[in-house]
Amino acid sequence: ETGVTQSPTHLIKTRGQQVTLRCSSQSGHNTVSWYQQALGQGPQFIFQYYREEENGRGNFPPRFSGLQFPNYSSELNVNALELDDSALYLCASSQEETQYFGPGTRLLVL
Amino acid sequence: SQELEQSPQSLIVQEGKNLTINCTSSKTLYGLYWYKQKYGEGLIFLMMLQKGGEEKSHEKITAKLDEKKQQSSLHITASQPSHAGIYLCGAGPLGMGSARQLTFGSGTQLTVLP
Repeated sequence: ETGVTQSPTHLIKTRGQQVTLRCSSQSGHNTVSWYQQALGQGPQFIFQYYREEENGRGNFPPRFSGLQFPNYSSELNVNALELDDSALYLCASSQEETQYFGPGTRLLVL
Repeated sequence: SQELEQSPQSLIVQEGKNLTINCTSSKTLYGLYWYKQKYGEGLIFLMMLQKGGEEKSHEKITAKLDEKKQQSSLHITASQPSHAGIYLCGAGPLGMGSARQLTFGSGTQLTVLP
């Protein structure tokens, strides 16, 4: 158990819809990162939030956006869903060097 | 950008056998992480290596970072079915305040036959 939780565990959406995924960080961790993992691949960095501000972004379009709240919980929002957005979405919280991952949200876009 | 190549892509071993997974970087590694993932689940942190020549062990798993800091290996001694899963190496910058953006390899799928 890493102390990082994510909801929901699974989600099915249709193309063009919007989705919000949630992450609760490990207690005391002020940094949260989001990753997208397609089937058979390693996770790809989407972005990171530190003290409620975006602090680094990977090669993802603006329709991927996020929020971090004062209690360090976080949201990932994806607008105008595409079929290729189907993946496992992982959040990871960290205080120092090591990132601790949640169990992920499996998103299927039809 | 940094790229990580893992080998082999998949590995099937008999219980009790030793095995090694490799991770090679196109650039100098400043922080190398090993994670284990059960299919479709989150990543479990195993070890982090920073210094050239560093070696760390946890139970029957040993990870090493070479002197040039461009290659790491993960060695499992006397494998057990509980070791089965996907092993991922990840690399990223170190230092407080730096974006903890990890670049991952594509993973090694390990199957341990009883």
